[in-house]
Amino acid sequence: AQSVTQPDIHITVSEGASLELRCNYSYGATPYLFWYVQSPGQGLQLLLKYFSGDTLVQGIKGFEAEFKRSQSSFNLRKPSVHWSDAAEYFCAVGRSEKLVFGKGTKLTVNP
Amino acid sequence: DAGVIQSPRHEVTEMGQEVTLRCKPISGHNSLFWYRQTMMRGLELLIYFNNNVPIDDSGMPEDRFSAKMPNASFSTLKIQPSEPRDSAVYFCATNQGQVRETQYFGPGTRLLVL
Repeated sequence: AQSVTQPDIHITVSEGASLELRCNYSYGATPYLFWYVQSPGQGLQLLLKYFSGDTLVQGIKGFEAEFKRSQSSFNLRKPSVHWSDAAEYFCAVGRSEKLVFGKGTKLTVNP
Repeated sequence: DAGVIQSPRHEVTEMGQEVTLRCKPISGHNSLFWYRQTMMRGLELLIYFNNNVPIDDSGMPEDRFSAKMPNASFSTLKIQPSEPRDSAVYFCATNQGQVRETQYFGPGTRLLVL
């Protein structure tokens, strides 16, 4: 069965620090991979997605993610976090019509 | 485009009452997804439609839940009768039909069943 694991429920970083959010998946074949962000009280918004090709993908708001097939991972990174990045981040995978979402990682940014 | 529109944004009801959640997809999007988000279970797909036809309703928790999409511009998710454990945020999302296409989420309906 397809599954997505985000091992960190909650991460706190200082503004200006680097960030890495982890995502591991279990899937029969290499799926399409996505990161979404949810600000408080809002719906989810796509940050970036990976289908094939270059394993390092760039997204909006200065985020990037790297696909590592050998580790079944798709970790999200940002070199310098801004206070406005405080939100919940969801990794998702899919190959057919629907996506499977991880349980999310809540990011707190300290001033 | 106004994005995905959901109504109501908040709903408080008593156990046993019927609840109807509404969604207007982005024009031109032919797939529509209903999700439920809770602290315990995260984001769960309840049902999705393609070209107004229900494709997969395996996530619908029980017969008290039903969803319809009578046309390309409108979908409803109904809970009858509602129970306190149905309290959650319900999201509608739409896209252009293939999984690689971005899903656009509405703002959600926050449901509280007392």
